[in-house]
Amino acid sequence: GEDVEQSLFLSVREGDSSVINCTYTDSSSTYLYWYKQEPGAGLQLLTYIFSNMDMKQDQRLTVLLNKKDKHLSLRIADTQTGDSAIYFCAESIGGSYIPTFGRGTSLIVHP
Amino acid sequence: DAMVIQNPRYQVTQFGKPVTLSCSQTLNHNVMYWYQQKSSQAPKLLFHYYDKDFNNEADTPDNFQSRRPNTSFCFLDIRSPGLGDAAMYLCATNPRGGQGGPGGANVLTFGAGSRLTVL
Repeated sequence: GEDVEQSLFLSVREGDSSVINCTYTDSSSTYLYWYKQEPGAGLQLLTYIFSNMDMKQDQRLTVLLNKKDKHLSLRIADTQTGDSAIYFCAESIGGSYIPTFGRGTSLIVHP
Repeated sequence: DAMVIQNPRYQVTQFGKPVTLSCSQTLNHNVMYWYQQKSSQAPKLLFHYYDKDFNNEADTPDNFQSRRPNTSFCFLDIRSPGLGDAAMYLCATNPRGGQGGPGGANVLTFGAGSRLTVL
């Protein structure tokens, strides 16, 4: 299987919360990241979490990390149409500067 | 603003006709990466430079080459593009390999990408 797995699509109504999930296989992952890619653009870092943390909050974004289950989630509160994009989960292990990316989850926000 | 700039944004080429994509950065980052991205797939690392040291991924075809003449510029050369090479090519940078940005995270800064079409 892939090292970092995500579901491909998520559809939500504007104003609702979105939860994008990611699982990873390497228990020695040190940092886990969420990147956002808008249509026709490169990836942009949204947030990251160090492996000794369970949660990180930044305005509308909440990242939850369950190390036991190797599960990472990104919650977007009050989802707006401007949040429509592809969201990539990534991990880096130890001192490696080569992150491993998932396939991305395409978030579709409808009125 | 400091950033990563890729040119051209869109490139159309014919089957077998060489192509060069460029990437420039004003961030003075040590590490530069080239990724290939196809729809619904994870970005695939082709190679990266740590300063002048070139690191090729084992499964990167010989058809793909790269040059980094100085810290600011990096080029991706596709010697004989095939239909399967049509993709988005992303350049990214990282300030310090292994020690990274704040707190030690390895945060990559991406360019906007170059979309390659092969006819």
